[in-house]
Amino acid sequence: SQTIHQWPATLVQPVGSPLSLECTVEGTSNPNLYWYRQAAGRGLQLLFYSVGIGQISSEVPQNLSASRPQDRQFILSSKKLLLSDSGFYLCAWGGDSHYGYTFGSGTRLTVV
Amino acid sequence: DAKTTQPPSMDCAEGRAANLPCNHSTISGNEYVYWYRQIHSQGPQYIIHGLKNNETNEMASLIITEDRKSSTLILPHATLRDTAVYYCIHTGTASKLTFGTGTRLQVTL
Repeated sequence: SQTIHQWPATLVQPVGSPLSLECTVEGTSNPNLYWYRQAAGRGLQLLFYSVGIGQISSEVPQNLSASRPQDRQFILSSKKLLLSDSGFYLCAWGGDSHYGYTFGSGTRLTVV
Repeated sequence: DAKTTQPPSMDCAEGRAANLPCNHSTISGNEYVYWYRQIHSQGPQYIIHGLKNNETNEMASLIITEDRKSSTLILPHATLRDTAVYYCIHTGTASKLTFGTGTRLQVTL
């Protein structure tokens, strides 16, 4: 069965520090991968999605970047965090199956 | 992905059916309707999806109107654990999912 791993679960980082969040998927190949962010009390905002290795589409201009170095690995990064980067970050995968999109358990990032 | 319209909040008594509506008037012929829910501080959970026929699984039923411009998610016997934000989305297969603000369902005793 397919599983998605996302870590860490929580993270507190100072303003100006770098960020790296990792997401890996098991049990599938060539998945579509997504990064979402949810600010406190807000809806889910799509940040990046990837349809293959090295293929990244950015949905909104921001202080973040994404990379996909391997088929089942998706990384969200920042060189210098801002206070506004705080939020709940979710990784998701959706293959060519019709049966739903699976989300990771999320990383709650607090920038202080 | 085009926009869907859902009521911001609804209440339902425990044990009763919860009927959550969604308008998706701009849905195109090859797009599916997906429903997800998000319990506080967790990732969204897939509930059900459909194209044009009504669908039922162990979690819920999905009723799609004949013109496909709206749908209703039915939780037949709501429990306190069904309290969550419910999202309705329409999208093509394996396309990106764009979430709206959803409906906050509060199940009460």
